Amino acid sequence: DTEVTQTPKHLVMGMTNKKSLKCEQHMGHRAMYWYKQKAKKPPELMFVYSYEKLSINESVPSRFSPECPNSSLLNLHLHALQPEDSALYLCASSPWEGGVDTQYFGPGTRLTVL
Amino acid sequence: AQSVAQPEDQVNVAEGNPLTVKCTYSVSGNPYLFWYVQYPNRGLQFLLKYITGDNLVKGSYGFEAEFNKSQTSFHLKKPSALVSDSALYFCAVREGSGNTPLVFGKGTRLSVIA
Repeated sequence: DTEVTQTPKHLVMGMTNKKSLKCEQHMGHRAMYWYKQKAKKPPELMFVYSYEKLSINESVPSRFSPECPNSSLLNLHLHALQPEDSALYLCASSPWEGGVDTQYFGPGTRLTVL
Repeated sequence: AQSVAQPEDQVNVAEGNPLTVKCTYSVSGNPYLFWYVQYPNRGLQFLLKYITGDNLVKGSYGFEAEFNKSQTSFHLKKPSALVSDSALYFCAVREGSGNTPLVFGKGTRLSVIA
């Protein structure tokens, strides 16, 4: 089973709201990723967690705050977002076993910031 | 630095005809190459990857890709296109083994016309 699940599917929030995106995988993968994707563009890497520790932060603004409570879960906490943050947010996971690691993506959360 | 180029924004092909989606890459070390497909409002689905060995890699849904080191290319192919293959296709490269970030091309939209 190569399934990564994400909730919610759609989220509309105001610029003063606080919300969270959730991602879950049960494949025993030890790396999890957040990407941001604008329409008709490739995904842009935001964060990487490996073994529940943040290993890459691609200079993402602090209004995005990732959290990895355990090896199966990844959250992205959102606060004081801007309209330009509206995008598809994709979560991915990979085994992190060395060699060539394949990332498996979830269906994404479509975020609209009003 | 590693990079990927997908020279065509759009590829149109008639159903039943062979299709090719082009990808070229640039890395300083050994390339590890991936193809992903994205259907509307969905996440990315892994199709296939090249690590080493045979230059022709077979993947999901009848797709295959040919690695050509001298031309630094990794074109995606399918002998007979289906209307359901219409989607956005992303080529991605990672330089070296391990878990360095994937670098995605800008994507190619494939339209298969009945």
